[in-house]
Amino acid sequence: GAGVSQSPSNKVTEKGKDVELRCDPISGHTALYWYRQSLGQGLEFLIYFQGNSAPDKSGLPSDRFSAERTGGSVSTLTIQRTQQEDSAVYLCASSNQGYEQYFGPGTRLTVT
Amino acid sequence: AQSVSQHNHHVILSEAASLELGCNYSYGGTVNLFWYVQYPGQHLQLLLKYFSGDPLVKGIKGFEAEFIKSKFSFNLRKPSVQWSDTAEYFCAATNTGFQKLVFGTGTRLLVSP
Repeated sequence: GAGVSQSPSNKVTEKGKDVELRCDPISGHTALYWYRQSLGQGLEFLIYFQGNSAPDKSGLPSDRFSAERTGGSVSTLTIQRTQQEDSAVYLCASSNQGYEQYFGPGTRLTVT
Repeated sequence: AQSVSQHNHHVILSEAASLELGCNYSYGGTVNLFWYVQYPGQHLQLLLKYFSGDPLVKGIKGFEAEFIKSKFSFNLRKPSVQWSDTAEYFCAATNTGFQKLVFGTGTRLLVSP
């Protein structure tokens, strides 16, 4: 079946602009996660959604970062007033019933 | 604090050599452990996982890992590597349920033909 998809695959933006990154999880998966992969920090957890529960936002690095998940499916990660240190690959993953997480291909964000 | 550490950042091997990548975790409670692999230009893929039961876990492509609770370790092994195993390998852990993965810093493996 279809895996986790993310769009866009690449995004170049100017410092100070807002960006939106999209994730389509595997159909039927109840949990959705966002991670960030960067050279200096490795793989870092950002936020996760589980069903109708309040999301765990404990990994968001600043209040410029936010995410929502509409209808229990698609999720959007928004970064406001982007900074150069936001440049990274943003990964989305989904899982079902607490088992392993399946990762998407990521969105490479470059802030110039 | 929950953490995962990988001791080897870069490993270079010749084909047919044996591989062991170290992973240690610091977690309270019941822990689930994973090894993910990222081939060049591809996304993260699950190699194997440990939730409970037999501490020797076999995964895809001939990889295996052993959970040693007394050593807080989950080392990845392969008896004979191939050039196609060139990739970055990540150890990760989570508590049971819908919890965030905590990753190690990764190990870049280069297998020379």
